[in-house]
Amino acid sequence: DAGITQSPRYKITETGRQVTLMCHQTWSHSYMFWYRQDLGHGLRLIYYSAAADITDKGEVPDGYVVSRSKTENFPLTLESATRSQTSVYFCASRVGRNRVNEQFFGPGTRLTVL
Amino acid sequence: DQQVKQNSPSLSVQEGRISILNCDYTNSMFDYFLWYKKYPAEGPTFLISISSIKDKNEDGRFTVFLNKSAKHLSLHIVPSQPGDSAVYFCAASRMDSSYKLIFGSGTRLLVRP
Repeated sequence: DAGITQSPRYKITETGRQVTLMCHQTWSHSYMFWYRQDLGHGLRLIYYSAAADITDKGEVPDGYVVSRSKTENFPLTLESATRSQTSVYFCASRVGRNRVNEQFFGPGTRLTVL
Repeated sequence: DQQVKQNSPSLSVQEGRISILNCDYTNSMFDYFLWYKKYPAEGPTFLISISSIKDKNEDGRFTVFLNKSAKHLSLHIVPSQPGDSAVYFCAASRMDSSYKLIFGSGTRLLVRP
């Protein structure tokens, strides 16, 4: 499928477990982003990547790890999940340093940490 | 400290009337502003944007106004339609920060038939 996809769409895990959320885009966009959406906070940037093998922290990076070995994939790993990481996670991509800065979002992954 | 604020969590308007969604920001370095629309169980989708060098941008039923002196922007939807019912996020970015987006907390719009 063309576009940006996320998997799984829903995930329930337990405190302390490692969880990886997948993000795949077919546009070859150079920039990719991970956000979490929580009530009252809108979307907050966790990590972003300007290109393969280039990643940087966003607003709320603690407890998360990212990698980007290929342009099209940008997985997000919670190394030891905590209840405070229960959230909806969105992946997004952008062509490059274009002025419009329109980001294209995936459908989201709803993660519940028990 | 929220740099982008949407102080109205919800808004209800009658079909055919105008919807006005507001957004305030604190960082005068922001040079681009965007509005995103989000339906339940979907990702946000880009709606309209405005550069800090402009004070108005229009796209069909949607118009965004920017008041730099007040650090305020608003999204006008005229006429409002039931399909416009969604959560609207305001976002801001800076050229010198790789255009990372800072989002507001969102306003849920309900357009009543």
